[in-house]
Amino acid sequence: QVQLQQSGPGLVKASQTLSLTCAISGDSVSSNSAAWNWIRQSPSRGLQWLGRTYYKSNWYNDYAVSVKSRISINPDTSKNQVSLQLNSVTPQDTAVYYCARVSDTKPDAFDVWGQGTMVIVSS
Amino acid sequence: QSVLTQPRSASGTPGQRVTISCSGSTSDIGSNSVHWYQQLPGTAPKLLIYSNSQRPSGVPDRFSGSKSGTSASLAISGLQSEDEADYYCAAWDDSLNVHWVFGGGTKLTVL
Repeated sequence: QVQLQQSGPGLVKASQTLSLTCAISGDSVSSNSAAWNWIRQSPSRGLQWLGRTYYKSNWYNDYAVSVKSRISINPDTSKNQVSLQLNSVTPQDTAVYYCARVSDTKPDAFDVWGQGTMVIVSS
Repeated sequence: QSVLTQPRSASGTPGQRVTISCSGSTSDIGSNSVHWYQQLPGTAPKLLIYSNSQRPSGVPDRFSGSKSGTSASLAISGLQSEDEADYYCAAWDDSLNVHWVFGGGTKLTVL
């Protein structure tokens, strides 16, 4: 059974960096048949896909254009986890952040989700 | 504002059948599969339907999905009180700006 366990601070000051970690159990961050995504949810913006990392002989990343200049998603193979960094945050980045898996067995669908981390950006 | 359009709310009584619609465009629903998620209060979304009409293991067959053109629907038959939740549709988007787009969510109330 695949599980994703998120960790990270729930309060970040404006202009600083938001950093979250998603620990993976039951699967591998280096799997050739999975992609590891970050998604956020806020009342004003709803659900918003932020980006992903995946391994297909090499490591790849894709990011939403709206955050591309500020975001970094990185795998940590030694700890079997994936991290999210979002720089220069503003109060508009206040949201619940989720990590989620996409597997080749259910193409393009987020089949496993982390528990979510509420992040408040204080001005 | 969400890319995919869903009604804000829906309701039904126990035992009834309800449907939730999701409208998109040629670059998302029109070209790709639709997926549905159920979100109970205070929890993460859960995959309910994938690839338009497939149910993951453990999802009751009361839940079904369909797609036609640039629209999709989620149907719930034999409505139960525990079905009260928010429901979201999602699809891959062929544009370069973002890979996945979501609906704004439909709050289902069981009367």
